[in-house]
Amino acid sequence: AQKITQTQPGMFVQEKEAVTLDCTYDTSDQSYGLFWYKQPSSGEMIFLIYQGSYDEQNATEGRYSLNFQKARKSANLVISASQLGDSAMYFCAMREAQGAGGTSYGKLTFGQGTILTVHP
Amino acid sequence: ETGVTQTPRHLVMGMTNKKSLKCEQHLGHNAMYWYKQSAKKPLELMFVYSLEERVENNSVPSRFSPECPNSSHLFLHLHTLQPEDSALYLCASSQEEQVYLNEQFFGPGTRLTVL
Repeated sequence: AQKITQTQPGMFVQEKEAVTLDCTYDTSDQSYGLFWYKQPSSGEMIFLIYQGSYDEQNATEGRYSLNFQKARKSANLVISASQLGDSAMYFCAMREAQGAGGTSYGKLTFGQGTILTVHP
Repeated sequence: ETGVTQTPRHLVMGMTNKKSLKCEQHLGHNAMYWYKQSAKKPLELMFVYSLEERVENNSVPSRFSPECPNSSHLFLHLHTLQPEDSALYLCASSQEEQVYLNEQFFGPGTRLTVL
């Protein structure tokens, strides 16, 4: 089963309007982190926002907010007041802790992404 | 230089060539990652180095060989690749003290084409 599911291959929004990008996840861990990244056509992955599984309040970063519904295992990204520069691919990702040989690191699993197009 | 840099940005190679991708992070992080991004597929984690020790190898073919000489540098050595290896290869780094809080910072990627 996929750990991260983004059901919208593409989304369109009018400039200055809000848009919600969907993300659902699957994990049996109690502690995990959820991330959203933006990937413009240049290829670089740009970190947008983070939500921890124990955070009671939804994360916000400027025009980005994360609608975290733990019971439903969803972590939707809301972009308010869309701008033309928001046109890009958006990825939802999850980190679950894994340790090996005394070291610890968080493996990041990505969804398939949603292409957002902002129209003038 | 700031953040995570990758060279070259574009690479075209034949199946018999040997080349290397380079990644350098200027953030003082202690973990580095290689990802492969093929068209219409999610990012695939290839290798993870934590404290310069390889901690994950996601069933990657041996024609891909990573090297992490120190905490700031990560290489991906390529030899006898196949056309299906053509993809965007992304390097990332993170500070692995508080696992759940620290995002991974990505480089701009190397777009590889295997002829």
